[in-house]
Amino acid sequence: EVQLVESGGGLIQPGGSLRLSCAASGFTVSSNYMSWVRQAPGKGLEWVSVIYSGGSTHYVDSVKGRFTISRDNSNNTLYLQMNSLRAEDTAVYYCARVNSGIYRFDYWGQGTLVTVSS
Amino acid sequence: QSVLTQPPSVSGAPGQRVTISCTGSSSNIGAGYDVHWYQQLPGTAPKLLIYGNTNRPSGVPDRFSGSKSGTSASLAISGLQAEDEADYYCQSYDSSLSGYVFGTGTKVTVL
Repeated sequence: EVQLVESGGGLIQPGGSLRLSCAASGFTVSSNYMSWVRQAPGKGLEWVSVIYSGGSTHYVDSVKGRFTISRDNSNNTLYLQMNSLRAEDTAVYYCARVNSGIYRFDYWGQGTLVTVSS
Repeated sequence: QSVLTQPPSVSGAPGQRVTISCTGSSSNIGAGYDVHWYQQLPGTAPKLLIYGNTNRPSGVPDRFSGSKSGTSASLAISGLQAEDEADYYCQSYDSSLSGYVFGTGTKVTVL
């Protein structure tokens, strides 16, 4: 059974850093496209970042240079390193597996809340 | 940056049919990229509802159907039920952004 479990969210001051983790089971992270999607309180879904099976990465413009997506093959875990956090980064962050054929998000985690506030 | 536009809300009585539109552009839906739809119940993660424009994952009732034409797509819910009350999002890929895009989201209310 495919399962994704996020952790690492919390309250952080503006300018601070946080690392989110997404532990996967039932499939191999490194063989798949993996992504982070966020949802600000009361708002819609926003794609944040993707790491492809070959290792290349892409980001939405608003987080470029501040966020880094990576994976640990030995732990079958996806990460999102978030630096220089801003109030507008406050959101529930979901990790999701991306089907490589037609770019659909077929499995999602339960999400972890990041609150950026002083 | 939502580049796919959806109506903020739609509503219908139980048993009725409602449709949700998703309007994109020549760099996403119009470029031939597939459209997928997600259902998000309150307080839960999104769930894949329709993939590849028209396909339903196992377990999704056939009351839900999708279509795509040109730079737009649509989700139809027939025989509306109380448990269909949720937020719905379309999603595609955008070649000019080299990334994935979601619709603005539509709240479905069952009257």
